[in-house]
Amino acid sequence: AQSVTQPDIHITVSEGASLELRCNYSYGATPYLFWYVQSPGQGLQLLLKYFSGDTLVQGIKGFEAEFKRSQSSFNLRKPSVHWSDAAEYFCARLTGGGNKLTFGTGTQLKVEL
Amino acid sequence: DAMVIQNPRYQVTQFGKPVTLSCSQTLNHNVMYWYQQKSSQAPKLLFHYYDKDFNNEADTPDNFQSRRPNTSFCFLDIRSPGLGDAAMYLCATSRGAGSLSVGNQPQHFGDGTRLSIL
Repeated sequence: AQSVTQPDIHITVSEGASLELRCNYSYGATPYLFWYVQSPGQGLQLLLKYFSGDTLVQGIKGFEAEFKRSQSSFNLRKPSVHWSDAAEYFCARLTGGGNKLTFGTGTQLKVEL
Repeated sequence: DAMVIQNPRYQVTQFGKPVTLSCSQTLNHNVMYWYQQKSSQAPKLLFHYYDKDFNNEADTPDNFQSRRPNTSFCFLDIRSPGLGDAAMYLCATSRGAGSLSVGNQPQHFGDGTRLSIL
């Protein structure tokens, strides 16, 4: 089945350090992939998306992600993390013929000051 | 700003007492979704509307129903809430791609309603 996997349940980084959150997808030649962020008690906010074209996509809040077909990955990166980036991050893909969003299990990011 | 609004943010109901959660949108999107998110888990799709066309997920319990009286509003009805239905309920919208296929449009989420069952 088409799915996404986030191998890291929790990640802790120091403020100002770089960040990479991993996401792997299974099946699909050209998956439609997304990264969402969820702050405590809030809904999900779209950070960026990949449909086709340039494999390095820029998002909001200084985030970027790179689609690597050879590795079936769509990792999220940020060069310098801010304390306000502490949240849960979900990788997701469109499935079910494009009418369903399937999420990974999420990665909880903690930022140490 | 165009947005997805969920009311109330927090809802408390009694075991077995019907409850309705509300979602409205100013994005004029064709598609509206309801997700259930339990603590420390990913959101799980319950159902979605493409315009007036209702699409139920196969594993969504019959206890959960939905209504969409117009483009802007969508309701989630839980007929007899059980303790296991305590969760965050998220509404989302997206622009339909036409021909009743949602296509590759991103979904925009509301802030959710946290439902507690006494």
